[in-house]
Amino acid sequence: QKEVEQNSGPLSVPEGAIASLNCTYSDRVSQSFFWYRQYSGKSPELIMSIYSNGDKEDGRFTAQLNKASQYVSLLIRDSQPSDSATYLCAVIGGTSYGKLTFGQGTILTVHP
Amino acid sequence: EAGVTQFPSHSVIEKGQTVTLRCDPISGHDNLYWYRRVMGKEIKFLLHFVKESKQDESGMPNNRFLAERTGGTYSTLKVQPAELEDSGVYFCASSQSGRWDNEQFFGPGTRLTVL
Repeated sequence: QKEVEQNSGPLSVPEGAIASLNCTYSDRVSQSFFWYRQYSGKSPELIMSIYSNGDKEDGRFTAQLNKASQYVSLLIRDSQPSDSATYLCAVIGGTSYGKLTFGQGTILTVHP
Repeated sequence: EAGVTQFPSHSVIEKGQTVTLRCDPISGHDNLYWYRRVMGKEIKFLLHFVKESKQDESGMPNNRFLAERTGGTYSTLKVQPAELEDSGVYFCASSQSGRWDNEQFFGPGTRLTVL
């Protein structure tokens, strides 16, 4: 079992729709969770961090964390073609000192 | 504020040669991380510096890789001698001191190709 798992996609949504990206993790004592966006050939760009159970909203983005289910998600409202990218889920495990463990990423395509 | 910078952006070398990658973190960031993405795989952790000290080097593949951070500012990652499987994109990231799970900001990466 991989430490951090994401559906590789591609996930295709129409412009204006809600895109839902999911991630599960295996280390039950993980405390810190991050979503990065990566355009082709570019570096990962931090979108959201979440540390507590529940929802965290920032503009069109909402991160949701459920530690009991070991599940974290990212919702993108009013999706735009410019949101088309690979979305990376990253976790800092309970015994790690800042070490990020990444999922393989989900490719999102927003079509006009 | 300048972000994380890396040099070079691309490097193509022959197997057996040496390559040195450089990372300049965001000013004032004590934590500096190296990661690598090999084709088709997820991004993997290599090591973590706190100032000039190695906090965690559990991800370093073997002793052909040497990382330094003299003076706690920029860092270098040397691969000597390079092998074919070292090809990939090497990312550097930095974060503020304080909480160990502070947000990490990534540099543009160095794409290394070993022929």
